[in-house]
Amino acid sequence: DGGITQSPKYLFRKEGQNVTLSCEQNLNHDAMYWYRQDPGQGLRLIYYSQIVNDFQKGDIAEGYSVSREKKESFPLTVTSAQKNPTAFYLCASSTGGGEKLFFGSGTQLSVL
Amino acid sequence: AQKVTQAQTEISVVEKEDVTLDCVYETRDTTYYLFWYKQPPSGELVFLIRRNSFDEQNEISGRYSWNFQKSTSSFNFTITASQVVDSAVYFCALRSYNFNKFYFGSGTKLNVKP
Repeated sequence: DGGITQSPKYLFRKEGQNVTLSCEQNLNHDAMYWYRQDPGQGLRLIYYSQIVNDFQKGDIAEGYSVSREKKESFPLTVTSAQKNPTAFYLCASSTGGGEKLFFGSGTQLSVL
Repeated sequence: AQKVTQAQTEISVVEKEDVTLDCVYETRDTTYYLFWYKQPPSGELVFLIRRNSFDEQNEISGRYSWNFQKSTSSFNFTITASQVVDSAVYFCALRSYNFNKFYFGSGTKLNVKP
């Protein structure tokens, strides 16, 4: 079945550590997104990519980095510069052209 | 600027009650898309409906209905005869025609009690 796979489901980060969240899709979608969800704040856009080898910052990109070397994959790295990384992270993809977003099941990141 | 406002943070109803979730949006675009998503406790967002700015027809799908009014920039969602399984966080979202970015409201948590 086609879909978006995020891993791991739970992730713990130590102080000063970089961690990478995985997002893979087999929907053949061009556009991919990373959102951060904090309680009561809805979804905030971190980065998005409309095509391979290209990506743009969203509203809260500081302390995060991404790559888009393959159409299927859009990993998110939470760097040590992100001082408050505890949140639920959602990856999504879309064909573009006004079509809906498809979401993964999310990764809960916590700080040890 | 693009913005979506869901003023209702949390709503509690008793099963079989009707409930309306409000969504107000701001955009300068003449062409745009509006969406509703459901987020159950499992965390994954589930698509419910998409509406484009040219289509103001209301839509009904089973117990769900949507009222889109451009004059008031609103896209409200009504659940008729609510059920416990409707308990979730519901998000309204806006996407501009020209840009592949989605703007989400802060969500409304719906609690349906038996």
